[in-house]
Amino acid sequence: AQSVAQPEDQVNVAEGNPLTVKCTYSVSGNPYLFWYVQYPNRGLQFLLKYITGDNLVKGSYGFEAEFNKSQTSFHLKKPSALVSDSALYFCAVRDWYSSASKIIFGSGTRLSIRP
Amino acid sequence: SQTIHQWPATLVQPVGSPLSLECTVEGTSNPNLYWYRQAAGRGLQLLFYSVGIGQISSEVPQNLSASRPQDRQFILSSKKLLLSDSGFYLCAWSATGQGSAGDSPLHFGNGTRLTVT
Repeated sequence: AQSVAQPEDQVNVAEGNPLTVKCTYSVSGNPYLFWYVQYPNRGLQFLLKYITGDNLVKGSYGFEAEFNKSQTSFHLKKPSALVSDSALYFCAVRDWYSSASKIIFGSGTRLSIRP
Repeated sequence: SQTIHQWPATLVQPVGSPLSLECTVEGTSNPNLYWYRQAAGRGLQLLFYSVGIGQISSEVPQNLSASRPQDRQFILSSKKLLLSDSGFYLCAWSATGQGSAGDSPLHFGNGTRLTVT
């Protein structure tokens, strides 16, 4: 069965500093990996995805993520954090081998950027 | 462009009452459809997903059910609500079709906040 782990409930970063939000996954086949952001009382918004190819994926709002197959990780990164990046971030995985349509989310990491 | 509509935005229901939440998608055909529940503003629990009309996969045994009477309509129901059914319910869709199913991201509605009293 597929699973996703986000080991940090909260990440605190000063504005202008780099940020990393961690994600590890477990699948039986090839992983399709996604990052989403959620603002209060709203649905999730898609940030970026990894399907195949280059291990560094660039997405919306200056975010990027690095896929590491040996460590089964897909960490979200941004070189310089903004206060407006404060939100709840979710990593998700789709296991194409076991189920074409089932998508599982991590528990979420709350990112707080202080001015 | 594709849009997803989910309603109502908020709902307060007494224990034991029925529930019906509706989600519709516009601008696409034969989407995969999903219902998730989010408790206390944290993790998302997959409740149901559907790859076609009348095809429903249930992920968690509970007193909720889902139906897909039309291609772009997905309904979440309950005959008798429990206090534990309170939460933030999110509908989502993703594209299907050749070359797009695996890498298609989910697109979420704005959610329904359900409070069972």
